[in-house]
Amino acid sequence: NAGVMQNPRHLVRRRGQEARLRCSPMKGHSHVYWYRQLPEEGLKFMVYLQKENIIDESGMPKERFSAEFPKEGPSILRIQQVVRGDSAAYFCASSPKHLLTDTQYFGPGTRLTVL
Amino acid sequence: AQKITQTQPGMFVQEKEAVTLDCTYDTSDPSYGLFWYKQPSSGEMIFLIYQGSYDQQNATEGRYSLNFQKARKSANLVISASQLGDSAMYFCAMREGLVNDMRFGAGTRLTVKP
Repeated sequence: NAGVMQNPRHLVRRRGQEARLRCSPMKGHSHVYWYRQLPEEGLKFMVYLQKENIIDESGMPKERFSAEFPKEGPSILRIQQVVRGDSAAYFCASSPKHLLTDTQYFGPGTRLTVL
Repeated sequence: AQKITQTQPGMFVQEKEAVTLDCTYDTSDPSYGLFWYKQPSSGEMIFLIYQGSYDQQNATEGRYSLNFQKARKSANLVISASQLGDSAMYFCAMREGLVNDMRFGAGTRLTVKP
């Protein structure tokens, strides 16, 4: 059973470009969470999605950031017009349900560098 | 307000000895879950152990155990018989019953000395 897949693992963008990060949850998992980790810090929640629905985007910046989890295909985190402050590691996690006891399993992360 | 506090930025332990990584949390929700994750230098987040707020017993998973003191709101991770491969960042995290996200502490960097 493959784990959570994220690609690319490393992404370099120039200021003003778009960054598109992909996440394929574990098989059988329909709940996806995105987190951001700045250097030497813990992870910060960004958004929680189920198939075709954004459930909670309270941690996502209001502008330039968007997320989707289509019926077919991976979840996508999109950052438009990137700035240097967007440089971070972005982690996706998935769980089979949304119960309190459900462990969130993390992907390897995408390390975004904005030049 | 800080929900999860890890007061030890860095810890050192001798190989084969036990080490305790501290974690305190703050919540008024009676239902919550506490998680520990390991992040080695390669960067991935590896789930280690889970403790539910209503669990009567302390959680154990192999060499990992969780010292859960509910009244003190602490959930310390104990690693027994440390190995060199245990050197990593360790994050404590909490999920509360009525919220969607998981809150993480700032982490503790553990270094195991040979």
